[in-house]
This record gives sequence, structure tokens and C-alpha cells, in this order.
Amino acid sequence: GAVVSQHPSWVICKSGTSVKIECRSLDFQATTMFWYRQFPKQSLMLMATSNEGSKATYEQGVEKDKFLINHASLTLSTLTVTSAHPEDSSFYICSAIPATSGANVLTFGAGSRLTVL
Amino acid sequence: SQKIEQNSEALNIQEGKTATLTCNYTNYSPAYLQWYRQDPGRGPVFLLLIRENEKEKRKERLKVTFDTTLKQSLFHITASQPADSATYLCALFTGGGNKLTFGTGTQLKVEL
Repeated sequence: GAVVSQHPSWVICKSGTSVKIECRSLDFQATTMFWYRQFPKQSLMLMATSNEGSKATYEQGVEKDKFLINHASLTLSTLTVTSAHPEDSSFYICSAIPATSGANVLTFGAGSRLTVL
Repeated sequence: SQKIEQNSEALNIQEGKTATLTCNYTNYSPAYLQWYRQDPGRGPVFLLLIRENEKEKRKERLKVTFDTTLKQSLFHITASQPADSATYLCALFTGGGNKLTFGTGTQLKVEL
């Protein structure tokens, strides 16, 4: 089946540094990928839609200059949290829709746990 | 405003019983509704999809119903097992059908 791989699965960084999270579709091409954020005991909130070869579409309230998204190929999207602060600590999850999924069923990565000290 | 709400934050049931989870939505007219399972520290995994013209959908011990008049979906797990313990999320495509929005989630715990 379709697999989405995320790396790293967890990362700890100092306040003010930048962190890059990679999202890869391993056995299918993804023109669109979705980045979600999840705080403890809360549901997933869509941050942005990543489009291959063009700019990402950000949800209201998400700072595009802080959360940089690059979708340079059909199998890779990256999310960079710039100048990270403790309030950015969260669980970041990417997803994509395999062409074989039919009715827009998302395949999710395992998530990346970011802790900013 | 648009909302997708699930019945409770946590649901504890005894092994072997049927778990019933509720998903209510307002100000949406979805063509279909999806259910996902999420284990702690993991991404969600797709379980079932039900279309607006379907009343009920089954997959092994899972059953989903969809009432577009009530704007509600029910998710049932029959003969529940401790391994069914997880958070269950309903989801709709919103924003013109190009983004998946999740409900608040229900954490299910199946006890021996």
C-alpha cells in the first residue's frame, strides 16, 4: 500500500534555531501534500497545503514566513520551522493522497515530534 | 460557524461490548465522511469512508452510518477488544473540497 515517510520522528532544538522536517511519498507520486499540527489532547489542525512546483497554500493564522514549505519534487515536501520557540513545540504530521485512493483518502506519515527548549 | 464535533473526549467500555462514537457537523454539506484511527504518537490511519447516498457501511467489526438530515455519523465497533483502544477521528473535506478537516476526536479505551 501507499506509504508516507517522515523524518525525523522526533527532534529537540534550542530556541531561535530552525528545524527541517521531511515528508516523502515512498511508492507513489504526490502533487499535493498536507501539513498538520497537533497539540496534546487536541485534534489535527491543517497548517498548509503543499503543491509541487508552486507556492504552498497556508491556512488562516499560520505564518508563512515562520513555517516554510518546499515541495520541489513529486515525492518530497519539507517543512522548516524557522526561529523556533517553545510555543512551536508540537506534533507535525504530513499526508498525501495516492492516486489509487479513489475518494480522496489521505495517507499519513508517522509524525514528527518537535520540542523547542 | 462550521464545526465537526465528536461526542466525548473519552469513552471507556468493557471488552466484548459495542462501542458507539458520534460525529456531528454543522454548516457543511459533505459528499462523504471519513473515519480514521490514531494511536498515541502516530499519524492517523484511514478506516472507512461513507458517501452521502449510503446509509451504512461495514468492514469486519466496524460499522458506520451517515444521516445527512441529522448531520451525524455514528461509528460502531462490535465485540470490542483492548487492541481497539485508540483515538478515533471523523473527517470531512471542506474549503471547496480540497482540504480534510478533522473532528475533535474520541479516545476509546477498551478494558478487560
